[in-house]
Amino acid sequence: SQTIHQWPATLVQPVGSPLSLECTVEGTSNPNLYWYRQAAGRGLQLLFYSIGIGQISSEVPQNLSASRPQDRQFILSSKKLLLSDSGFYLCALQAGTNTEAFFGQGTRLTVV
Amino acid sequence: AQSVSQHNHHVILSEAASLELGCNYSYGGTVNLFWYVQYPGQHLQLLLKYFSGDPLVKGIKGFEAEFIKSKFSFNLRKPSVQWSDTAEYFCAVSSYTGGFKTIFGAGTRLFVKA
Repeated sequence: SQTIHQWPATLVQPVGSPLSLECTVEGTSNPNLYWYRQAAGRGLQLLFYSIGIGQISSEVPQNLSASRPQDRQFILSSKKLLLSDSGFYLCALQAGTNTEAFFGQGTRLTVV
Repeated sequence: AQSVSQHNHHVILSEAASLELGCNYSYGGTVNLFWYVQYPGQHLQLLLKYFSGDPLVKGIKGFEAEFIKSKFSFNLRKPSVQWSDTAEYFCAVSSYTGGFKTIFGAGTRLFVKA
């Protein structure tokens, strides 16, 4: 069965510090991978999605970037965090065209 | 651009009342449609999904949704809600637009009074 590992669960970082959130998946090959940010009243905002290794699409201009160095690894990064980067970040996978998205447990990021 | 609209941000119902949550999407091509639920303190779970076939889809916990292609809608219904249905509900749409991606609505917070 498909599994998503996302860590850490919570993170407090100072403004201007770098960020690296990692997501790894098991139980599937060549999935679509997603990074979402969940904010109250705004639902899940799609930040990045990837259909394969090295293939990243950005949905919104922002201070973040994403990379997919391996088929089952998806990384969300920032060189310098802003206060506005605080939020709840979710990694998700979609195993095929006619499948639903499965979500990780999420990371609560607080930038102070 | 593809988008998903959920009409109600907050809904308050008494137990045994009927529920209907609206969802409209903007995309003219072939879509897959989903409703997810997030109970307090828990992660997102799939309630039901529509890929093709019968436009009336039944999901878990007595929920159902109807796909009306002409109205670009996928409304969620439940005949009689329970206190345990208190949660946030998200409508989502997947389409192949040069990369299959899933877009979510803003969510509807449902509070059911006992």
